[in-house]
Amino acid sequence: DTAVSQTPKYLVTQMGNDKSIKCEQNLGHDTMYWYKQDSKKFLKIMFSYNNKELIINETVPNRFSPKSPDKAHLNLHINSLELGDSAVYFCASSQGTGAREQYFGPGTRLTVT
Amino acid sequence: AQSVTQLDSQVPVFEEAPVELRCNYSSSVSVYLFWYVQYPNQGLQLLLKYLSGSTLVESINGFEAEFNKSQTSFHLRKPSVHISDTAEYFCAVTVGTGGFKTIFGAGTRLFVKA
Repeated sequence: DTAVSQTPKYLVTQMGNDKSIKCEQNLGHDTMYWYKQDSKKFLKIMFSYNNKELIINETVPNRFSPKSPDKAHLNLHINSLELGDSAVYFCASSQGTGAREQYFGPGTRLTVT
Repeated sequence: AQSVTQLDSQVPVFEEAPVELRCNYSSSVSVYLFWYVQYPNQGLQLLLKYLSGSTLVESINGFEAEFNKSQTSFHLRKPSVHISDTAEYFCAVTVGTGGFKTIFGAGTRLFVKA
């Protein structure tokens, strides 16, 4: 039973394309996150949703648009992909928005050529 | 602004030797502290956390960390490492100022050699 799953695991695409990454959690959590991990392993929060409502929106280009159709899903759509978007994107979830343990998905490695 | 500093990017150590991975944070408000571990090609997993109470916290696989408020540190230690402990370790701070946000350190790669 996978707690937090992401699809696809690998994504290779060309500059200028639009792509989506999907995330689902079966833990019954009410808060979900998107993180970006760069080539130096630095992990940075991008977005956070609580009960389908956006609560954290870091300084991310507006080419990135998250969508949460329900509490168990948080998708990330990226328009007009650029070389600098190449990274590993992690989805995570937690119960509540306070100081809570976060459960991470396996990551999606995005390579833009 | 809050920040998390992991002082060592890589720590090579021989099997069965002790290890300490250092973490310092900067924040003027209440903090909650975490260590996560990332094995190759996997997501992060919680190793241990400090929310309140005893300043020494332990994990089930022999790691421990001590919250030191005066030194703003949360160093991770293990008295005897195994090859299987080879991984990336991330220190994280959640700041409790209405709108909780978790900030991660840059990570420390622990490499255990036989």
